[in-house]
Amino acid sequence: EVQLVESGGGLVQPGGSLRLSCAASGFSFINYWMSWVRQAPGKGLEWVATIKQDGSEKYYVDSVKGRFTISRDNPKNSLYLQMNSLRAEDTAVYYCARIRWPRYYSDYWGQGTLVTVSS
Amino acid sequence: QTVVTQEPSFSVSPGGTVTLTCGLNSGSVSTSYHPSWYQQTPGQAPRTLIYSTNTRSSGVPDRFSASILGNKAALTITGAQADDESDYYCMFYMGSGYWVFGGGTKLTVL
Repeated sequence: EVQLVESGGGLVQPGGSLRLSCAASGFSFINYWMSWVRQAPGKGLEWVATIKQDGSEKYYVDSVKGRFTISRDNPKNSLYLQMNSLRAEDTAVYYCARIRWPRYYSDYWGQGTLVTVSS
Repeated sequence: QTVVTQEPSFSVSPGGTVTLTCGLNSGSVSTSYHPSWYQQTPGQAPRTLIYSTNTRSSGVPDRFSASILGNKAALTITGAQADDESDYYCMFYMGSGYWVFGGGTKLTVL
């Protein structure tokens, strides 16, 4: 059974940093592109970042470029999102999602981890 | 900036049929954007319904179907049930590793 379990969320002050993790199991992690998608309270879904199987390609939504870094550790079956210079508008539930390439969609999602940026 | 437009809300009677749409501010939607659709109930993770414009994900009932309708992507629910009451999101692949979601449609079944 495919499982994606996010962790690392919490309360952080504006300007602070946080590192999210996503533990993958039930599939061959090294074979899949992976993404982070977020959802601000009461708002819609927003694609944040995507990483290729070997980490050689990374893509970001404009609003997080230069502040967030997506990475992965294939031997540990783990996906990460390093978030720096956090802003109030980054407050959201962050979901880890598996990408089916080249059909370009997310087929499995984690349950999400809440990041709150507030003083 | 790419903007994907969905109806903010829609209502359907139990057993009825409803079509939700997804448009692009930059022009017509085509299969090259690989439209996909997701269902989300409050407090839950999204669930994948449709990918590659019109292919149902595993386990999705056949009352859910999708297509390109005119210049938009469309999701049709035929024979709506109470547990179809959810938020529905479309997503397009814009190329070069970038995706964009629509703002979502809140579907009420009553």
